[in-house]
Amino acid sequence: AQKVTQAQTEISVVEKEDVTLDCVYETRDTTYYLFWYKQPPSGELVFLIRRNSFDEQNEISGRYSWNFQKSTSSFNFTITASQVVDSAVYFCALSEARTGGGNKLTFGTGTQLKVEL
Amino acid sequence: ETGVTQTPRHLVMGMTNKKSLKCEQHLGHNAMYWYKQSAKKPLELMFVYNFKEQTENNSVPSRFSPECPNSSHLFLHLHTLQPEDSALYLCASSQERGETQYFGPGTRLLVL
Repeated sequence: AQKVTQAQTEISVVEKEDVTLDCVYETRDTTYYLFWYKQPPSGELVFLIRRNSFDEQNEISGRYSWNFQKSTSSFNFTITASQVVDSAVYFCALSEARTGGGNKLTFGTGTQLKVEL
Repeated sequence: ETGVTQTPRHLVMGMTNKKSLKCEQHLGHNAMYWYKQSAKKPLELMFVYNFKEQTENNSVPSRFSPECPNSSHLFLHLHTLQPEDSALYLCASSQERGETQYFGPGTRLLVL
């Protein structure tokens, strides 16, 4: 069974601080995909990044960066110089490839990030 | 970005009502999904459709009835719901397996 653990329920930081959101996953699949989504108060889940299990390169996109380490089954997300607009719930998710088509996302419980002035 | 739309955005219904949630995707995707998000619970996958065929029913009670008339539209028909069914219902779509799922804004449902 797949499992995604986001141990940090809520994080509060002051604007311009760096913050790292942790994600640990469990799967028996050799091929899988990892995702991060952002959910602002409006409710819509906004896609941030997808990483496949064969690509362990870290990625940077503006103030966002991701650290994927298969050895520790972790896929952590860092926001540099946080801003108030970053306040949201962030979800890490794991996808298994399914023979029936489509894919099944297993989500973590989310981390509520609050960025204050 | 309005790739996936959902209507209505908010819905209040009694336990004896019948209502339907609608999802439409404009991304040319082949797979569509319904998720339920309750307070303090992880997102729960409810149904998966691929090329209009249901490929997964995640032990969802029969008071929730999905319908997928084509690859662009997905409905969730609701009848005789319970107060514990109050939640945010999210629709998503993806191109193929392993591909990114794109979500709609959700319908906030309150069952009285």
